[in-house]
Amino acid sequence: QKEVEQNSGPLSVPEGAIASLNCTYSDRGSQSFFWYRQYSGKSPELIMFIYSNGDKEDGRFTAQLNKASQYVSLLIRDSQPSDSATYLCAVRSNDYKLSFGAGTTVTVRA
Amino acid sequence: GAVVSQHPSRVICKSGTSVKIECRSLDFQATTMFWYRQFPKQSLMLMATSNEGSKATYEQGVEKDKFLINHASLTLSTLTVTSAHPEDSSFYICSARPGQGLGAKNIQYFGAGTRLSVL
Repeated sequence: QKEVEQNSGPLSVPEGAIASLNCTYSDRGSQSFFWYRQYSGKSPELIMFIYSNGDKEDGRFTAQLNKASQYVSLLIRDSQPSDSATYLCAVRSNDYKLSFGAGTTVTVRA
Repeated sequence: GAVVSQHPSRVICKSGTSVKIECRSLDFQATTMFWYRQFPKQSLMLMATSNEGSKATYEQGVEKDKFLINHASLTLSTLTVTSAHPEDSSFYICSARPGQGLGAKNIQYFGAGTRLSVL
């Protein structure tokens, strides 16, 4: 059983729309959750992290965490063509290791 | 900001040769460094965890004699792919976790990655 699961996509949204990305995890004891963006051929860059249940907003990005449902999501508002990338959900274990999902590829249509 | 420098960015080598990849934290001391491998269209897979001054911890299925890791200082870790073969061709990425400061010790900062092609 995979530890972190994401829909692989591709998720295609028109420019200016909201892109909604989902992630579920299996380790109920997980405490920290991260969203990374990875452009083709590049390494991941951190978008947001969240530790507590609820929403966390940073600019056009909102992360949502529901530990009871073992679910974390990322909303991208006012999507731009530059947001086209693969988005990786990562979950941190107690030994600081990150487990990554397979990633969701997002394409923003101009 | 936290910068992790990884070098080289791209390597093309012949089968049987060894390749060394360096990972440096430029503006912070890294308690722990991590090495990942990413094959095309796949996610990052953790290969090993490296703590300064101690032996690296390898994930299941990763050959420690093939992927030699040295973490000689709090700012430098190296990965050596020994006797590389075409199946070792991949995108290798390091990350570093700060020991203190930078607001959130939980965050891993990633290097730019090294694309290894073994002919």
